Amino acid sequence: NAGVTQTPKFQVLKTGQSMTLQCAQDMNHNSMYWYRQDPGMGLRLIYYSASEGTTDKGEVPNGYNVSRLNKREFSLRLESAAPSQTSVYFCASSEFAGVNQPQHFGDGTRLSIL
Amino acid sequence: QKEVEQNSGPLSVPEGAIASLNCTYSDRGSQSFFWYRQYSGKSPELIMSIYSNGDKEDGRFTAQLNKASQYVSLLIRDSQPSDSATYLCAVNAGAGSYQLTFGKGTKLSVIP
Repeated sequence: NAGVTQTPKFQVLKTGQSMTLQCAQDMNHNSMYWYRQDPGMGLRLIYYSASEGTTDKGEVPNGYNVSRLNKREFSLRLESAAPSQTSVYFCASSEFAGVNQPQHFGDGTRLSIL
Repeated sequence: QKEVEQNSGPLSVPEGAIASLNCTYSDRGSQSFFWYRQYSGKSPELIMSIYSNGDKEDGRFTAQLNKASQYVSLLIRDSQPSDSATYLCAVNAGAGSYQLTFGKGTKLSVIP
């Protein structure tokens, strides 16, 4: 009964380092999303993938890249980490990209960049 | 810029009372509305969805939608200390959009 699984759960990076956040879902969902959550800012969409083979920018895509590896997996990459990217990152999925489709969230990755 | 506004709180209610959480949104074309509960340090958990005007009830939770006033609310009856959390309102970002815009959340504290 895993749902949406994110790895790692915690990570500390130095400025300029790169890393990839992993997300996998076992609900056979078509659409996947990456958000960041900062105090006082709420959840903001970074990138999303409406279906396997497609990705699109969200509200705050700068400094990030994504890969939809297959239907189950959607990764988020920070090429050169900056302190402003310190945040909690959530991956979410929905059955498909539709107006009335609720999104289901993973447990999050807490990322600190020094 | 599409906006979803919530009172940040904290909203304090005694155990057993009704908690009323409110949300307004800016885009008249929005069609789907969701309430998520987020415990401190945890991920958002979907608790209610509503798509048409009126009330929708699920257990102790009632979602209310008024599209003319661009207003959606969540009522929690018989509030319990376990309901203490931050409640996030999410709205689809305009007509036909499946992207969600989230409010910053209202922190609810249920006092035993």
